[in-house]
Amino acid sequence: GESVGLHLPTLSVQEGDNSIINCAYSNSASDYFIWYKQESGKGPQFIIDIRSNMDKRQGQRVTVLLNKTVKHLSLQIAATQPGDSAVYFCAENGGYQKVTFGTGTKLQVIP
Amino acid sequence: NAGVMQNPRHLVRRRGQEARLRCSPMKGHSHVYWYRQLPEEGLKFMVYLQKENIIDESGMPKERFSAEFPKEGPSILRIQQVVRGDSAAYFCASSRREVGVDTQYFGPGTRLTVL
Repeated sequence: GESVGLHLPTLSVQEGDNSIINCAYSNSASDYFIWYKQESGKGPQFIIDIRSNMDKRQGQRVTVLLNKTVKHLSLQIAATQPGDSAVYFCAENGGYQKVTFGTGTKLQVIP
Repeated sequence: NAGVMQNPRHLVRRRGQEARLRCSPMKGHSHVYWYRQLPEEGLKFMVYLQKENIIDESGMPKERFSAEFPKEGPSILRIQQVVRGDSAAYFCASSRREVGVDTQYFGPGTRLTVL
């Protein structure tokens, strides 16, 4: 069936470096993608979203890139900080009124 | 502006008991979504409700699980005759309009443990 998945389960990054978290999706009908951050014991926190008519969107220290040709989504975090340590989920809305989540990537920031 | 509220934060039940999880959406939000999360996994959609209506319950188990979002008061996710496999974190999210048009915001979750 349709699914959203991530390439790497765990990513370790030195503080101050840039982080790149990748996501593959399989539903070509998806028109809206979201990145969430989930810290231990908390609910997912919205980071940034992008619509399928865009290739790139920037926020504060974060950039989302969408490659519809290969159905790939990435989240770039600039100057990674210890507070960025969390599990990051990509999610898609495939035209239906619900969101499908990937399994998540754990980002570990090394001080 | 308070965010999405969920209570209780932790709930312990013995097998066969009932679990009631409550969710108060953000002010002005009339769309509520329930998700379930097992440890080290992503969130799985369960049900989508608007006031007094269930819009999509395709992710909800056919038996023992029910959800409501009454005209007044919080949304309730009810699990009857709980089993150990129901142990998980249950998250509620709300949005002003349907997701894809508007962003959904999540509550802190209820962690259900079935003994």
